Parts: sequence; C-alpha cells; structure tokens
Amino acid sequence: DTGVSQDPRHKITKRGQNVTFRCDPISEHNRLYWYRQTLGQGPEFLTYFQNEAQLEKSRLLSDRFSAERPKGSFSTLEIQRTEQGDSAMYLCASSWTGIEEKLFFGSGTQLSVL
Amino acid sequence: QKEVEQNSGPLSVPEGAIASLNCTYSDRGSQSFFWYRQYSGKSPELIMSIYSNGDKEDGRFTAQLNKASQYVSLLIRDSQPSDSATYLCAVNPNQAGTALIFGKGTTLSVSS
Repeated sequence: DTGVSQDPRHKITKRGQNVTFRCDPISEHNRLYWYRQTLGQGPEFLTYFQNEAQLEKSRLLSDRFSAERPKGSFSTLEIQRTEQGDSAMYLCASSWTGIEEKLFFGSGTQLSVL
Repeated sequence: QKEVEQNSGPLSVPEGAIASLNCTYSDRGSQSFFWYRQYSGKSPELIMSIYSNGDKEDGRFTAQLNKASQYVSLLIRDSQPSDSATYLCAVNPNQAGTALIFGKGTTLSVSS
C-alpha cells in the first residue's frame, strides 16, 4: 500500500494558463475525490468518482474545472484559464465503498496563480 | 445547506492536559463522523471515525457522538507538543456516498 499519490507537489502558473494535476489512488480503492483547501479553511468538495463514473460535482465548481478518471484508476483535474482565486491546495482522496467508508488523502498539489 | 461547525481556536493547553475539541453538524440524517489531524503545510490524516452514539477510544484519543444533539467531540488525553495541529471534523451526510463535508478546523497548541 503506497498511499494516495499526487503530482506535481507544487505548481506556479500565470493567470490565464491551463494546469493539470494527477492523482493515483490507493490501488484497491474504487472511489476518488477531489477537494480544494485554502488557508484557514477546511477542505471544500469539488467532485468524486466511483470507478470511472463521475457521480457528484459541486454546484460551486466553475465550468473551467474538469476532472476525468478514464479507466477507473488514476484521475486528472484540469483548470482552464486560471485565475488568482484558484490559488489553493488541491487534495485528492480515495476510499473503498462501504458503510464504514474512510477517506485517505494524498499530499496535495499547491497551486499558485500569479 | 449542510454545515459542519467548529470553533477555530486556537485552543491552548499545557502538556499532559486533556484537550477537548467540539463539532456540530446541521444534517440530522448524517451517519458517519470523522476526525482528521492536519499539520501545517500537510494533508489531512484520519485519526478517528465514529458511527454510533457514545464513546470510541483509540489510545489517547476518544471520540464522542450524540446524534440527538448533532454533536461530535474529540478528547485528547495526556496532550503532547506533537499534537499541536489543526483538527478537522468531517461528516458524511448519508450512507449513499455523498462526499464528506468538513468543518474549518480547530487549531490546537500544546505547550511544553
């Protein structure tokens, strides 16, 4: 069990550029979540997948954000036309479906939009 | 709007004392409750889960759940400086797979 892996750890970009993050979940986990966290706040839900199906997406999520999990394994989160307000820690978590479902987080990708 | 409320702190306790962290939630149908610890600059780490009313103990940590009062707490006994972190309360609104909702966290500082 190597844990949830996220890449890159840090990303600095200029406003208006597109960025893509990758998440590799714990191998036996079928659910994968994306959260965003800013300083002093708790993680804010963005979207989640069960296998390759995107089951829920936050209504607060801008159309500039898109996520995929094409084969039910790794996932990517893309932000188009980045804005300074997108600067945050992007956290990926995975879990196995069940009554006692528990989320395990990766180390996160820190995005800075200049 | 489903909400999870925590006192942001900081909560300061001396080494060896009991730290008490509290959380309330708005969705009465919530079924699963979690406490995560987050060190500065790091990602959240799961430390406790609780699913039924009462107490659940794991080492120096005790989680307490009162569904009637919509209240969850975390007690840390014999607090250590290494316990200094932000503690996030998270609630799963139901068992159908809705994503966890997190509170803003309570910052705990344990002084030696």
